[in-house]
Amino acid sequence: AQKVTQAQTEISVVEKEDVTLDCVYETRDTTYYLFWYKQPPSGELVFLIRRNSFDEQNEISGRYSWNFQKSTSSFNFTITASQVVDSAVYFCALSETLTGGGNKLTFGTGTQLKVEL
Amino acid sequence: DGGITQSPKYLFRKEGQNVTLSCEQNLNHDAMYWYRQDPGQGLRLIYYSQIVNDFQKGDIAEGYSVSREKKESFPLTVTSAQKNPTAFYLCASSAGTSGRANHEQYFGPGTRLTVT
Repeated sequence: AQKVTQAQTEISVVEKEDVTLDCVYETRDTTYYLFWYKQPPSGELVFLIRRNSFDEQNEISGRYSWNFQKSTSSFNFTITASQVVDSAVYFCALSETLTGGGNKLTFGTGTQLKVEL
Repeated sequence: DGGITQSPKYLFRKEGQNVTLSCEQNLNHDAMYWYRQDPGQGLRLIYYSQIVNDFQKGDIAEGYSVSREKKESFPLTVTSAQKNPTAFYLCASSAGTSGRANHEQYFGPGTRLTVT
């Protein structure tokens, strides 16, 4: 069975600090996709990034960067120079293909990030 | 604007009553999903639908029912058989065609259901 572990339940940082959110996954699939979502206090999940299992290049988007390491089954997320608006719950998710198309996402339990002034 | 709408945002019901949560999307997505979120937990899949008039049970389908009569609509009924229905319910959709697992899911704003 697939599994996603986000060991950090809650992280508190001061604004402008860098912060890394950890994600470790388990799957028997050889091809799979990983995702990060942000859930602000409003509740709606916002898609941040998708990576596939055969592309281990790190990715940077503004203040966000992702480090995918297949050897350690990890897909960590770093926010550089954090801001108060980054305060949210962040979920890592792993996909598996469903019969007939589409995908099922297995979510981690989330990491609550609090950025304070 | 393209997106997913869920209504209402907050819903209160008495124990023993069935309640239906609405989910509508205008993204022309084939696949739609219902998830449940409890405090301190990730999302768990209740039901999903790949095409109209077809749907499948997810990991925690007991006590729930769905229908998919139109591509844009995927309502979820929480029945009185659901032992612990109070939760935050999120609907999602994805392009999800041809067996490809790379399509990200887009989520609605959620419905917070409280049953007393």
